[in-house]
Amino acid sequence: GDSVTQMEGPVTLSEEAFLTINCTYTATGYPSLFWYVQYPGEGLQLLLKATKADDKGSNKGFEATYRKETTSFHLEKGSVQVSDSAVYFCALSDRSNQGGKLIFGQGTELSVKP
Amino acid sequence: ETGVTQTPRHLVMGMTNKKSLKCEQHLGHNAMYWYKQSAKKPLELMFVYSLEERVENNSVPSRFSPECPNSSHLFLHLHTLQPEDSALYLCASSQELAQGRSPLHFGNGTRLTVT
Repeated sequence: GDSVTQMEGPVTLSEEAFLTINCTYTATGYPSLFWYVQYPGEGLQLLLKATKADDKGSNKGFEATYRKETTSFHLEKGSVQVSDSAVYFCALSDRSNQGGKLIFGQGTELSVKP
Repeated sequence: ETGVTQTPRHLVMGMTNKKSLKCEQHLGHNAMYWYKQSAKKPLELMFVYSLEERVENNSVPSRFSPECPNSSHLFLHLHTLQPEDSALYLCASSQELAQGRSPLHFGNGTRLTVT
């Protein structure tokens, strides 16, 4: 079945460092890909998405490019801030499998130090 | 304000208690969901409702009983829980059931501790 694998955390960075959180997926069809973020004490919220190969999603300085050839959707940010400390979830939705139900990775915790 | 409100934020209950979690969405969405989030585990989808009809029940023990009286409200009734049921319970909603087309909007969750 479809699945999402993220790099294990926690990831600890200093402020203004470059961030990469790796995400790879397996899917039977042509999924849409998402990054959700969960700030401390809150629920998840959509950060960005990409619906087809080579699309780039971006929001709040974060970017991720849908790479079909490597089945990846890595999250990047050029200069992280303390306020970016959160748990980041990669997810896919494949309409040919389970009607498009969102399948989440296990989450990667990011901690940014001043 | 997330548009999805969950109460209570924290709940401590004994194994013999009965309690309910409440979720309300103000977004006009047609689908609502219960997720369980445990430490170091992926999010677990528990129940899905579309237009007040349950469309998915992912092998959840009967000590968890959902109720969706209308498209804006979702409850999770709890009874005779076990300590391993301690977790963050998240409610979510989406415009339609196909989540790829309409993103999930989550509440802030209820932190449940079973003693």
